[in-house]
Amino acid sequence: EVQLVESGGGLVQPGGSLRLSCEASGFIFSRYWMHWVRQTPEKGLVWVARLNGDGVGTTYADSVKGRFTISRDNAKNIVYLQMNSLRADDTAVYYCAREGSGSYYTDYWGQGTLVNVSS
Amino acid sequence: QSALTQPRSVSGSLGQSVTISCTGSSSDIGAYKYVFWYQQHPGKAPKLMIYDVNKRPSGVPDRFSAFKSGNTASLTISGLQAEDEANYYCCSYAGTYVFGSGTEVTVL
Repeated sequence: EVQLVESGGGLVQPGGSLRLSCEASGFIFSRYWMHWVRQTPEKGLVWVARLNGDGVGTTYADSVKGRFTISRDNAKNIVYLQMNSLRADDTAVYYCAREGSGSYYTDYWGQGTLVNVSS
Repeated sequence: QSALTQPRSVSGSLGQSVTISCTGSSSDIGAYKYVFWYQQHPGKAPKLMIYDVNKRPSGVPDRFSAFKSGNTASLTISGLQAEDEANYYCCSYAGTYVFGSGTEVTVL
């Protein structure tokens, strides 16, 4: 059974940093692209970043480019999201998701971790 | 990139059909076959319902169908069930991803 479990969320001050983790199980982790997607009541779902299986190919949303870094440790089956220079509008529930085979959709999602950027 | 446009809410009675539209542009929905639909119940993670415009993942009931015409994609739920009451989001991939604004489906 595919499982994705996020952790690392919490309260952080504006300008601060936070690293989210997503531990994967139930599939051959290194073979799949992985994503981070965030959600707020106001903006709904917003895609954040995408990373290929060997950890080299990345794509970011313009709103996080230069501030966030997606990476992975295939030995530990974990994908990370390093978030720097955090702003109030980064406050959201952050989901990690697995990209399906053969196309660009995300077929499994974790339950999310809440990031609250506030002073 | 602006969010794709969806109606805020739609409703239908048990057994009826509802259709949710998702309007983008020639740069996203109109450009590629990569349109996806997700269902999300409150407090839960999104669930993939449709991929590549009109394909259903294993386990998704065939009363969920979808198509695309020009810059607009649509999701139809036929034979509405109580468990279909949820939020639905479209999504388009065109190098990066853009989601729709979300539609709340209410079963009367």
